Parts: sequence; structure tokens; C-alpha cells
Amino acid sequence: QVQLQEAGPGLVKPSQTLSLTCIVSGDSLTSGGFYWSWVRQHPTRGLEWVAYIYHSGTSYYNPSLEGRLTISIDTSMNQFSLNLNSVTAADTAVYYCARLRTGSTGFGWDVWGQGTTVTVSS
Amino acid sequence: DIQMTQSPSSLSASVGDTVNIACQTSRDFGTRLNWYHQQPGKAPKLLVYDSGNLETGVPPRFRGSGSGIGFILTINNLQPEDVGTYYCQQYDNLPPGFTFGGGTQVEI
Repeated sequence: QVQLQEAGPGLVKPSQTLSLTCIVSGDSLTSGGFYWSWVRQHPTRGLEWVAYIYHSGTSYYNPSLEGRLTISIDTSMNQFSLNLNSVTAADTAVYYCARLRTGSTGFGWDVWGQGTTVTVSS
Repeated sequence: DIQMTQSPSSLSASVGDTVNIACQTSRDFGTRLNWYHQQPGKAPKLLVYDSGNLETGVPPRFRGSGSGIGFILTINNLQPEDVGTYYCQQYDNLPPGFTFGGGTQVEI
């Protein structure tokens, strides 16, 4: 059974970089048909997709965040990571890593981590 | 920007009831519309993909329908474990971008 676990600091100072890692177990990141992604949930603004990456390194970013984001993947460690720089209070959210399924069963997030709360505050 | 409007924003029903949650999109996405259920304190869970396809393991009392700009999630025989918030989510054509609805909170 595939499991995803987020890791990273719960508190980040404004203007600094938020760095999160998702450790995947029970499946290889090189499995076909899946992207590996980040989704965040704001306290008041709801769910928002952040970025997703294929094992080849091909990646896509939410245009509203592009320019501040880097998503990367380490298939040898079976984990992927997110860096969001120049953070503000608006980046305070629960960050989920999730598996994004593709193909004949559509594009949907079918496996999620438990989520990690990130607060941006000095 | 794409707008996803869910209605109602919240509802209260009884065990055994049938409830309908609507999702209206600002443009035609065909059937590229998924539904999720989020229980309090947990991650969302995929219920329905591509408008009307039930995810593996989801009870058949859940049903998704619709196409174009109007979609419905129907929950028959509402159960206590169905409480939480339901979200619709659309995806564009390749490379996909995604938008979530604002959510519908279901209480019993």
C-alpha cells in the first residue's frame, strides 16, 4: 500500500524559503501513470494545487505561484521535494503531498499524505 | 480565471437521507470533474473521477453525474461517516491545471 509522508519545518519566517519533502513508501516513484505533487489548503481560501512532477523530471507549476516554486524528485531516495521562496503570511497552509493519477482514470489525487501545517510568521 | 461554485455551502441532514451537492463551472470541461470527501482533520479522499466513475472501494450510494458546466454528487442513504466537506475539482487539458470548488460541509 502506497504511503506518503511530509517532512519539514512547521514555522517559516517571512521572506525565507519553505522547504518540504515527501517520503514515499510502498511504491516506486518511477511507476508509470503517476505524477507526484503538492496541494495546499489555506485556512480560509480552500484547496489549491501547487506543483507536480513526473519521475523524468518534467514538472508543472501553478501559474499563481510560478517564479517562487521549485519541485524536484530523487528517485534513488524515493522522495520528492518542494521549495517555495519569499514566503508571506498568505503561504500559511496545510501542505499535502499526493499522488496524481493520470491516464484512462482521469487526473485525480488518489493517495495523500497526512498533511503538514506550515505557518509563516516572524 | 476559472470559477467553481458549489451549492449549498453547507447542509444538515439525517441518517438515511439522500443529499445532492451541485458544482457549477465557469466554462465547459466536458466530464473532467472529480469529487473528494474530507473528514475533519484528515486529507481529502477521491470519491468520483471524471464526473460519474466511482473510485475503487467507494460505496455505491455515492453517485456523480453531469457534464459541461453542471455536475451533481448524490449521496443516498446518508451515513454518520459521511460527515465532512465535499469538494469538486476540475482539470484542464494537457498540461493540466486544476481548480477546486469552495466545498460543501455536510452535517448529520
